[in-house]
Amino acid sequence: DGGITQSPKYLFRKEGQNVTLSCEQNLNHDAMYWYRQDPGQGLRLIYYSQIVNDFQKGDIAEGYSVSREKKESFPLTVTSAQKNPTAFYLCASTTPQPLRSGNTIYFGEGSWLTVV
Amino acid sequence: AQRVTQPEKLLSVFKGAPVELKCNYSYSGSPELFWYVQYSRQRLQLLLRHISRESIKGFTADLNKGETSFHLKKPFAQEEDSAMYYCALLGSSNTGKLIFGQGTTLQVKP
Repeated sequence: DGGITQSPKYLFRKEGQNVTLSCEQNLNHDAMYWYRQDPGQGLRLIYYSQIVNDFQKGDIAEGYSVSREKKESFPLTVTSAQKNPTAFYLCASTTPQPLRSGNTIYFGEGSWLTVV
Repeated sequence: AQRVTQPEKLLSVFKGAPVELKCNYSYSGSPELFWYVQYSRQRLQLLLRHISRESIKGFTADLNKGETSFHLKKPFAQEEDSAMYYCALLGSSNTGKLIFGQGTTLQVKP
């Protein structure tokens, strides 16, 4: 069953701790994305990667880090430098240069991160 | 700067009424625009894209470059249309950077 899997679905973090959200896809997609979803602010792009071993900052990359060592995996680390990390995080993937060729972007189910 | 604006956080209509969800964009090149929908407890999914000029579930959207708009319309709203709708823009630089608007919650009342 192909798709994108995010884990964990719910995560609690103490202030000052780093936490890593997992995103795995078995769709053979080259491009992967991380978005943050806040009420009233929609989806904001954190980082994206077009190919293995390469990634670019989105609009709100501060306090976050990513890696892309494998095509199927794009983990997101929320560091202690992120001032307001409590949010819903969405991972997505798609084929290379896909959206212009008419392909679509697929989203995971999301991960809720709460800082306590 | 690449930006998408959805001015309405909430749009509430009665069943059978026309619906228009507004989307304005800011981009100097030739953008590609999309509408995504998120039904309750479901994943975000593509509704339609301007290049295909398609109609999905009765929804249509026309790209107006003069007004830099890509409003989503449906002549007769159904209760099952209640969801969160996001407008999104892909710039022409082929960087793969897909930007979303703030989202509009559509509430269709019986």
